[in-house]
Amino acid sequence: AQTVTQSQPEMSVQEAETVTLSCTYDTSESDYYLFWYKQPPSRQMILVIRQEAYKQQNATENRFSVNFQKAAKSFSLKISDSQLGDAAMYFCAYRMNSGGSNYKLTFGKGTLLTVNP
Amino acid sequence: NAGVTQTPKFQVLKTGQSMTLQCAQDMNHEYMSWYRQDPGMGLRLIHYSVGAGITDQGEVPNGYNVSRSTTEDFPLRLLSAAPSQTSVYFCASSRTNRSPLHFGNGTRLTVT
Repeated sequence: AQTVTQSQPEMSVQEAETVTLSCTYDTSESDYYLFWYKQPPSRQMILVIRQEAYKQQNATENRFSVNFQKAAKSFSLKISDSQLGDAAMYFCAYRMNSGGSNYKLTFGKGTLLTVNP
Repeated sequence: NAGVTQTPKFQVLKTGQSMTLQCAQDMNHEYMSWYRQDPGMGLRLIHYSVGAGITDQGEVPNGYNVSRSTTEDFPLRLLSAAPSQTSVYFCASSRTNRSPLHFGNGTRLTVT
């Protein structure tokens, strides 16, 4: 079974600085997606960024970028120029792209990010 | 489009009561699913459906039933609520297996 591990239960960053959230995963599949979701206090689940395993180029969305290391099964999220609105719980998630289970997401336990003014 | 709509937003039940959490999507998505979120556990899949009339179990299905009679609706039933089912429940849908999940805003359920 696939597992997703977020080793940092909590992180903090100063406003305008950069922070990196870690995520590792375990899978024997070669075709899959990885995601980072943000959950602010409003409870809404917001997709931040996604990476397809077959794409070697790291995904980027504005101030958010990933460092995808397929061989190491690592998928970290970098937030540049942190803003107060980035404070949230962040979840790393995995989805297989083959077979009958290819809709299901497996989530890590989350990292709570605090942004200090 | 409303996206994924969950009702109610909050619910308190007594042990042994039954209830249905409603989920509806207006995006004609084939795939729908239910997750529960508990502190320190992330989100865990309860049940999912890949189309009308098709449902399957996820990681934590015990104590929950689902049905999918239409593409739009995917209700989650608790037949006899237990305190262990106190959680936040999310419904999510996806157009294809390569599309991102769209989440509802969640239902906070407390069982006393």
